[in-house]
Amino acid sequence: EAQVTQNPRYLITVTGKKLTVTCSQNMNHEYMSWYRQDPGLGLRQIYYSMNVEVTDKGDVPEGYKVSRKEKRNFPLILESPSPNQTSLYFCASSSTGTTNYGYTFGSGTRLTVV
Amino acid sequence: GQSLEQPSEVTAVEGAIVQINCTYQTSGFYGLSWYQQHDGGAPTFLSYNALDGLEETGRFSSFLSRSDSYGYLLLQELQMKDSASYFCAVREPPRDDKIIFGKGTRLHILP
Repeated sequence: EAQVTQNPRYLITVTGKKLTVTCSQNMNHEYMSWYRQDPGLGLRQIYYSMNVEVTDKGDVPEGYKVSRKEKRNFPLILESPSPNQTSLYFCASSSTGTTNYGYTFGSGTRLTVV
Repeated sequence: GQSLEQPSEVTAVEGAIVQINCTYQTSGFYGLSWYQQHDGGAPTFLSYNALDGLEETGRFSSFLSRSDSYGYLLLQELQMKDSASYFCAVREPPRDDKIIFGKGTRLHILP
């Protein structure tokens, strides 16, 4: 089944403790992206990647890191999480081979930083 | 600046037709997409318009007018399962994958 897999689904952590949210897609998509979703603010892009070893900042990159060493994986790293990073996070991917540029989203990761 | 405007909430009756509008202001434009998100779920892709006009996919249609920087999603024969949030999103050049989402419209359906 074509899908984007995120782990974990839920995570509670403490301020300052480094964490990684993994994202993997099995569709051979070139584009991958991370979004955070907060009430009243919609989906805001954190980082995106056009292909392996190519990443760029989105609208809210502060406090986050990403890497794209393999085409299928695009982990999101929080080096020193803070409570304002409590949010719902989505990974998404899409292909340059389609004409509709539709994103496939992962199931989401609900992160709480205390 | 970049902005997408859509109503925060819309209410309609089961079996009826509802239109969700989206106006955008971006530095460039490649196309307008629509996504559906149920509570607790992930956004799912519904439609994409790159050119002016109407695109139909079953009960859902999407319209774009580039000259007016305006689009809408039309849902027909509403069902209770259509209760969800709907987001419009714009692909913005120069990067193909730069997608900006609106804040979403919560659709309430009354029986």
